[in-house]
Amino acid sequence: QLQLQESGPGLVKPSETLSLTCTVSGGSISSSSYYWGWIRQPPGKGLEWIGSIYYSGSTHYNPSLKSRVTMSVDTSKNQFSLKLRSVTAADTAVYYCARLSGGAYTPLDYWGQGTLVTVSS
Amino acid sequence: DIVMTQSPDSLAVSLGERATINCKSSQTVLYNSNNKNSLGWYQQKPGQPPKLLIYWASTRESGVPDRFSGSGSGTDFTLTISSLQAEDVAIYYCQQYYTTPYTFGQGTKLEIK
Repeated sequence: QLQLQESGPGLVKPSETLSLTCTVSGGSISSSSYYWGWIRQPPGKGLEWIGSIYYSGSTHYNPSLKSRVTMSVDTSKNQFSLKLRSVTAADTAVYYCARLSGGAYTPLDYWGQGTLVTVSS
Repeated sequence: DIVMTQSPDSLAVSLGERATINCKSSQTVLYNSNNKNSLGWYQQKPGQPPKLLIYWASTRESGVPDRFSGSGSGTDFTLTISSLQAEDVAIYYCQQYYTTPYTFGQGTKLEIK
């Protein structure tokens, strides 16, 4: 059974960089069949897609965040990562990693449990 | 960006009754090449990640009870729960994956009347 687990600091100071890692188990991140994504959800609010990445490093980013986002893949560790620069309180959210079920333009079929990241001094 | 608008924002339905949630996209999400609508429905319970229920607008994900069904095409879609169970209390989201940025509806909160 595929499992995804987010990890990283739960508290980040304003203007600093948020860094999260998603560890995939029960399957290979290098599979040619899947993209991997990040989605966030501010407390009590809806879902926002941040971006997606292929094992080769090919990415799609949400234009609203593109100037601040970098995603990467480490196939040797079966992990992919998110960096969000110059964070503000508006970036406080639960961050989820997920798998796109069959390529770039497909739904999200496996999700991590999510990790709450608070931006505060 | 494609804007996804759900209605209603909240809904209270009696146990055993039908629940219907609507989702409208600001432009078509129908791929002419394969005649599929790039539209998914998710269920989110408190403290949990979203769970995929329906994809390609009407295909039920493996393990999802058959009381959940999806319909619609182009820009107008519906999620129907034929006979509401207590465990269906949740927030439901539609999502388009037709083009990036993928976008979600604002969510519909479903409660028991």
